This record gives sequence, C-alpha cells and structure tokens, in this order.
Amino acid sequence: AQKITQTQPGMFVQEKEAVTLDCTYDTSDQSYGLFWYKQPSSGEMIFLIYQGSYDEQNATEGRYSLNFQKARKSANLVISASQLGDSAMYFCAMRRNSGNTPLVFGKGTRLSVIA
Amino acid sequence: KAGVTQTPRYLIKTRGQQVTLSCSPISGHRSVSWYQQTPGQGLQFLFEYFSETQRNKGNFPGRFSGRQFSNSRSEMNVSTLELGDSALYLCASQPGGGRLNEQFFGPGTRLTVL
Repeated sequence: AQKITQTQPGMFVQEKEAVTLDCTYDTSDQSYGLFWYKQPSSGEMIFLIYQGSYDEQNATEGRYSLNFQKARKSANLVISASQLGDSAMYFCAMRRNSGNTPLVFGKGTRLSVIA
Repeated sequence: KAGVTQTPRYLIKTRGQQVTLSCSPISGHRSVSWYQQTPGQGLQFLFEYFSETQRNKGNFPGRFSGRQFSNSRSEMNVSTLELGDSALYLCASQPGGGRLNEQFFGPGTRLTVL
C-alpha cells in the first residue's frame, strides 16, 4: 500500500521568503509519480508540480521546485519568494505508474504567508 | 482550454434523500475520477471512469455510484444520504493512456446533509 506523510499541519512564512513543505512517502513500487496540489479556501485543487520516480532532475515550475530524494523517500515542495496569495492548504500525493491507480493524498499543510 | 467544471457548486440535502453531482472534464480527457474530502478522513478516492466504464473503485458503500457518458461527462449519485456524507466532492480529469502526470481537478461540489 502507498502512504503519504505530511508532518507539518501548519506553517508560517514571511512574504518574499522561501519555504519548504515536507512530504515523505512509502511505497514498494519502483515506478510512481509524485504530485503537489494547492487548495485555496475556495476548494479547488490546483496542480503545482509533478516528479516521476525515474526523473533524474528535480522538477521545477516557476517559483515551485520539488526536492526529490528517492533514497529517503521524500518529495519536499520549495516555494521561493512567497506571496500573500500562496496562503492555502498544500497536499502531497502519489500514484503508482502501473495500472490505473488513483492518487493517494497526505493530510496537507496549511501555509500562511505574513506581510 | 476550459478547465474541469462541476455542478452544482453547493448543495443542501436532508438525510435519506439522494443527490446527483455532475462533472465535465477538460476537452479531450477521457478519464474522470471522483474524490471525497472531509476534515476527518481527508481526501479519499471514490471511483474512476474511462470510456464509459468504471475502471477503479475505492472503499465506499454501494450508496455511492457513478457513470460516464459518451462525451466523457460523468455523474456521481449518492442515495439515502447520511450526515457523514457532508463533504467536498472533487472531480479530476486526465487524458487517459500513459500520461500519468496530468490530473486536473474541478472546483468541487460542497454537499451539506442536514
């Protein structure tokens, strides 16, 4: 079975600072994908970034980067130059690449950006 | 390209009633998945439809059902509503096939059961 652990229920960061949101995962699969989603108070899940288990380079998308450490089974999200609009819930998720399997989500981290 | 749309956005029902939620995926996407989000249980997978066939199912009672139409639009139905069914129901679409890095969510339907 797959499991995602996000150990930080809440985080605060000063505007324009960088912040790291932790995510560790557990799986026996060799081929899998890791996702980060942002959920503002409106409820919509916004896709941020994806990392494949065989990708050699860490994924980056604008101000978002994923610090992928396969041996440690961690996939931390780094947000650079935080903005007030980054305040939201952030979910780490994974799915195995074999078959048509659903996403398995962590409990989420609530990020608050302070002016 | 239009995103995933869900209707209605908000719904209030009473115990024992049934409800139908609708999801229109991104144009060209053939797979639709449904998730339930509650404060206690977090995000849990309900089921996935691909080309009008249920391809995967989560661990939910038979009161939860769904279907997909030939235009890839999907509906989920919950019969005999219980208080615990109050949740945000999220629909996600993806192209299907091997492109596993693309799964986009709609805004959700917030269901309240009184």
